[in-house]
Amino acid sequence: DTVLTQSPALAVSPGERVTISCRASESVSTGMHWYQQKPGQQPKLLIYGASNLESGVPARFSGSGSGTDFTLTIDPVEADDTATYFCQQSWNDPTFGGGTKLELK
Amino acid sequence: QVNLQESGPGLVKPSQPLSVTCSVTGYSITTSYYYWNWIRKFPGNKLEWMGYISYDGSIYYNPSLKSRISITRDTSKNQFFLQLNTVTTEDTAVYYCAEGLPGYPYVMDAWGQGASVTVSS
Repeated sequence: DTVLTQSPALAVSPGERVTISCRASESVSTGMHWYQQKPGQQPKLLIYGASNLESGVPARFSGSGSGTDFTLTIDPVEADDTATYFCQQSWNDPTFGGGTKLELK
Repeated sequence: QVNLQESGPGLVKPSQPLSVTCSVTGYSITTSYYYWNWIRKFPGNKLEWMGYISYDGSIYYNPSLKSRISITRDTSKNQFFLQLNTVTTEDTAVYYCAEGLPGYPYVMDAWGQGASVTVSS
């Protein structure tokens, strides 16, 4: 399995720029996608193909990377962005990262 | 706009089969190039992709579940189904169905609310 590693948690202030990282145990090309999940809700697709913004998602969200290292950036962060963010690869049989919980100070 | 809704048993006894239904509204599950996935989220946040059934009925399972899983569909009701056999307490999870982007089966752009299933005697 392709293992995806994320930092467990981040805390930022509203208005700041935050980067959430995801490292793959092997190359996944640009087959990396990002989801946001708030408590009690289903995951929501934000970014697909490493850098493509899903329709309806604010342009404050962006993605970058290829190979093994990927980043989700939120700039500027808003209070409503409090959530857990998951990366997921589709280059091999799909796997998910453990999630990064974003908290606002 | 597609809408997905899971329905499940809530509680399943160990060694019994687990069955969850996903009802889809908005368009047909036979619409070309769409894929219909099952994903589960364990207590503690870990997500696991379980498998899909495609618009043309082809199926692909997570190899780690291949011996226990079955995904089927009823096109007349626009539903697809998950069955997981011989469950243990480790199968306790929230089970989600999700639509894969056309041509991108594993990019899940619409999800149901999830069905919580507890395996316990």
